[in-house]
This record gives sequence, structure tokens and C-alpha cells, in this order.
Amino acid sequence: GQQVMQIPQYQHVQEGEDFTTYCNSSTTLSNIQWYKQRPGGHPVFLIQLVKSGEVKKQKRLTFQFGEAKKNSSLHITATQTTDVGTYFCGYSGAGSYQLTFGKGTKLSVIP
Amino acid sequence: GAVVSQHPSRVICKSGTSVKIECRSLDFQATTMFWYRQFPKQSLMLMATSNEGSKATYEQGVEKDKFLINHASLTLSTLTVTSAHPEDSSFYICSAMIVGILDTQYFGPGTRLTVL
Repeated sequence: GQQVMQIPQYQHVQEGEDFTTYCNSSTTLSNIQWYKQRPGGHPVFLIQLVKSGEVKKQKRLTFQFGEAKKNSSLHITATQTTDVGTYFCGYSGAGSYQLTFGKGTKLSVIP
Repeated sequence: GAVVSQHPSRVICKSGTSVKIECRSLDFQATTMFWYRQFPKQSLMLMATSNEGSKATYEQGVEKDKFLINHASLTLSTLTVTSAHPEDSSFYICSAMIVGILDTQYFGPGTRLTVL
């Protein structure tokens, strides 16, 4: 089946710096979802993107879905220690609700 | 918002025993529940999809006789790890959704299984 590559695997940033994680697919995706998993916690849904070129914002978080619907990014502006966790992208196939996740990007924020 | 609970949160058992994990949707009736497995520092891997009143659909490589799933009602799904072995030690997470209404998955808090 389709695979999504998520990069980087790890990212250490100083508090206040920006952070971006990328999710790339070799094939067109019908949708992309982003989740955040705090250390020791469970994934929490952040957002779903379905349209080509879509951009959505949630406070300091900006989500983009590429024009070709093969890549997506999550950008955090001015990171805070509360942003620590692993960010996963995931997608479901057309007509399916089963999610396939990327390997995640673990974000560490140095105060 | 939609709340999903899991019980127990942690379980330690001896090799060869069976462990049952419950997943409940607390404030909604879920048409579909999913079971995932997550090894340390790795991503979530879908094990099976469970629809109320029908047999679960297992992903390739997941033994249905080892991981028994029962979806008895619209608010409860159970995963039983039969004859558990140390390699079954993992973080098991369920999620629930209402197809066509809540089209995103809401995850439970997870169950940490340790098999000695």
C-alpha cells in the first residue's frame, strides 16, 4: 500500500524557534491528517486537509497540503515547551476510514 | 467532545496468560472502532477494524486467533491477547468513530501491556 515518509525523525529546538515537519508520499493522497502524541500519551487529532493547496491555521500551527496532494507540512511558530511531543501525519484511502501513519517527528523544546 | 476510555491503563501478566482490554466510547455510539499497536519510539500500526455486530477485519500479519476482538455494542469493543508472550508487550490503543458523522478517529488513552 501507500507509504508516507515523515521527516525529520527528531528535532530539537530552542524555545521560541520555529519547527516544521514534513510528510511526503509517492502517490496522491485523498486526505492527510495530523496528530500530536505527548510523551506517554495517546494521539490527539489536530486537523484534516483534503483539498489541493489547502492551508489551515490553528493559533501558532500552520498546516499545508501540497498542490499535487503528495506532501504536507506542519509548521509551529515560536515553539513553547507545551509543544513537546511526537507529531504524526496519517492518511486514509479513498472510501476507507482506516488510517496509515507516518513514523512521526519527535519534537523536543529546550527552555 | 468525543471521549474514548480504555481499561486497564496498565497490565503486567505472566507469559501464557490471556489479557482483555476494553475500549469504550463514553459519550457517543461508535459505528467503528480500531485497534492499534505501538512499540516504543515507533508509529501506530493498525491491527484490526471492528464494526459492531460483525467480525473484525484484521490487517495482514495480525493473527486473529491470538488477538481476539469482540465488538458487542456500539460503545464497547474488547481486545483479548491470548496466551501472551513477552514479544506481545506493547502499547495498545483503540480509537472510535461514527462513520458519516464523526469522520475522525478519537483515540483512547492506551493500555501498556507488559508480559513477563
